[in-house]
Amino acid sequence: SQQGEEDPQALSIQEGENATMNCSYKTSINNLQWYRQNSGRGLVHLILIRSNEREKHSGRLRVTLDTSKKSSSLLITASRAADTASYFCATDRRVAGAGSYQLTFGKGTKLSVIP
Amino acid sequence: GAVVSQHPSRVICKSGTSVKIECRSLDFQATTMFWYRQFPKQSLMLMATSNEGSKATYEQGVEKDKFLINHASLTLSTLTVTSAHPEDSSFYICSALSLGLAEFSKADTQYFGPGTRLTVL
Repeated sequence: SQQGEEDPQALSIQEGENATMNCSYKTSINNLQWYRQNSGRGLVHLILIRSNEREKHSGRLRVTLDTSKKSSSLLITASRAADTASYFCATDRRVAGAGSYQLTFGKGTKLSVIP
Repeated sequence: GAVVSQHPSRVICKSGTSVKIECRSLDFQATTMFWYRQFPKQSLMLMATSNEGSKATYEQGVEKDKFLINHASLTLSTLTVTSAHPEDSSFYICSALSLGLAEFSKADTQYFGPGTRLTVL
């Protein structure tokens, strides 16, 4: 079942505006990650926030994590047309005995930045 | 650094044929690779977890005899879609879990390939 659920499903903003996307999940996590996918392409890792962190920054990206509410948000400041893509949150769980992580992806938010 | 490639990027095949998709970590070692499927306008669904030198672990509902996975080395995993049908048409994406040994790859981070678009006629 889908662990992460993003909202909104689609977001359209003007270039220069900020874009905020939210993600909720259901079970406990080790970390939460945000990915970007351009249409018909692979995923690009944006940022990872660990369960003991509350906020993280990377360039124009700001991610928050509220483990009590099981939610995260991704803020893109000063958006650009090139930011147009789908954004997915993914939560991880360690596979018992395998020592590796599996990611469960949300449905994604399709962001359109209008020049 | 930390590049994962997939080959082919696109493939069109006839119903009933088999298709092999390769996933390679080009500049780092990956004991674990993951295979995902993504239908149009939907999210990625994990199909299976592939560990080097052992059998793949399939998610519920994924037929292991239909989607054959081989992970023969630390840099290569293959997914073979056997007796493909039109409903298997999808975007298949692999990822490789980094051991963190290469300076430009972070441990426990999945690096994704560019995906393979499979169309079964």
